[in-house]
Amino acid sequence: DVVMTQSPLFLPVTPGEPASISCRSSQSLLHSNGYNYLDWYLQKPGQSPQLLIYLGSHRASGVPDRFSGSGSGTDFTLKISRVEAEDVGVYYCMQALQTPLFAFGPGTKVDIK
Amino acid sequence: QVQLQESGPGLVKPSQTLSLTCTVSGGSISSVTYYWNWIRQPAGKGLEWIGRFYGSGSTDYNPSLKSRVTISADTSKNQFSLKMSYVTAADTAVYYCARADYDFWSGFNYWGQGTLVTVSS
Repeated sequence: DVVMTQSPLFLPVTPGEPASISCRSSQSLLHSNGYNYLDWYLQKPGQSPQLLIYLGSHRASGVPDRFSGSGSGTDFTLKISRVEAEDVGVYYCMQALQTPLFAFGPGTKVDIK
Repeated sequence: QVQLQESGPGLVKPSQTLSLTCTVSGGSISSVTYYWNWIRQPAGKGLEWIGRFYGSGSTDYNPSLKSRVTISADTSKNQFSLKMSYVTAADTAVYYCARADYDFWSGFNYWGQGTLVTVSS
């Protein structure tokens, strides 16, 4: 089975500064169609998860452009160019290619310093 | 605007069957354009995909839960349901329903607000 890991698990951030989260998969998420089946979700306090990035680098509708996703194969990164106070919460990566389908990472908690 | 709303008992006894319903508005669950999913989150923990229903009537399940889970739909009510048998305390979680596109993967793009189910005698 595929295993998803994230680092760091806790990330204190300063508003206006950049932030970065790493996600690694134990198996390649690169499909033969050229897409990486890796999503990023943000779960704000007390809310349902919301989609930020799909297929590694595609921003979901309505997601601010300060969020960007990159990477390929087994190593992926979510970057926030300038953190805002509303970005606090737990960030999850999730793979959508290997077995079991839709395995999530453990989450990275982002909070304001 | 697509909306999903979970409903069902908040308390289930051990060894009994958990039953939840997701009511969808703004889109038809019988459409072959979408997958309709169940995902859960134990308190203070991460997310676990349970399974999905597709408009044609097909289903897929997480292998770790497959023996205890059934997902079905009532197209007349535009609802899909989750049944999980022989529950234990480990099944205590917030249960979410979520939608994903079928023909091109673009993530779980719509989620319900979630419903807490506690397994306890």
